[in-house]
Amino acid sequence: AQKITQTQPGMFVQEKEAVTLDCTYDTSDQSYGLFWYKQPSSGEMIFLIYQGSYDEQNATEGRYSLNFQKARKSANLVISASQLGDSAMYFCAMREVIQGGKLIFGQGTELSVKP
Amino acid sequence: DSGVTQTPKHLITATGQRVTLRCSPRSGDLSVYWYQQSLDQGLQFLIQYYNGEERAKGNILERFSAQQFPDLHSELNLSSLELGDSALYFCASSPRDRRTNYGYTFGSGTRLTVV
Repeated sequence: AQKITQTQPGMFVQEKEAVTLDCTYDTSDQSYGLFWYKQPSSGEMIFLIYQGSYDEQNATEGRYSLNFQKARKSANLVISASQLGDSAMYFCAMREVIQGGKLIFGQGTELSVKP
Repeated sequence: DSGVTQTPKHLITATGQRVTLRCSPRSGDLSVYWYQQSLDQGLQFLIQYYNGEERAKGNILERFSAQQFPDLHSELNLSSLELGDSALYFCASSPRDRRTNYGYTFGSGTRLTVV
């Protein structure tokens, strides 16, 4: 069964430094998508970045990049130059074609950015 | 504003009662997904509708039901409410249900408190 694992319940990072949030996944499907979402304390889910299983390049969106290692089944999120506003919960998620499009989420990592 | 509208934002009700949560998807999106986010279970997929038809079911209790109307808005009905049903309920929409690179757009959620 498909599964997303985020092993870091909480992380701290100094403002302006880079931080990596870990995500590993398990799937038997060849075609899938990987997503990262940010959930600030206000509760909304904000889409950050997407990586397709057939994409050869790592995805980047501004200060966010996804370190995709397919053989290791990992999809780590890298946030460069952390800002205080980056303090939030971060969720890794996977979407499989054969499952009709639902997202499976990890348990999340709470990131705290220190000034 | 994400384009996905959920109402109400907050709901407080007593055990045993029934409530209806409403979701209007982003314009043009045919798929609607419902998720439950609780402290102990994380983000759990409940059910998906695509263009009015149920497409996938997740860990949805028999006390819960949903439907998608011809105008594509969706309602999630929760009945015989228990304390454990207290959670943040998200609706999300996407243009299609099977393309993995279509990310979801989440609504801001309905926070349900059962007392």
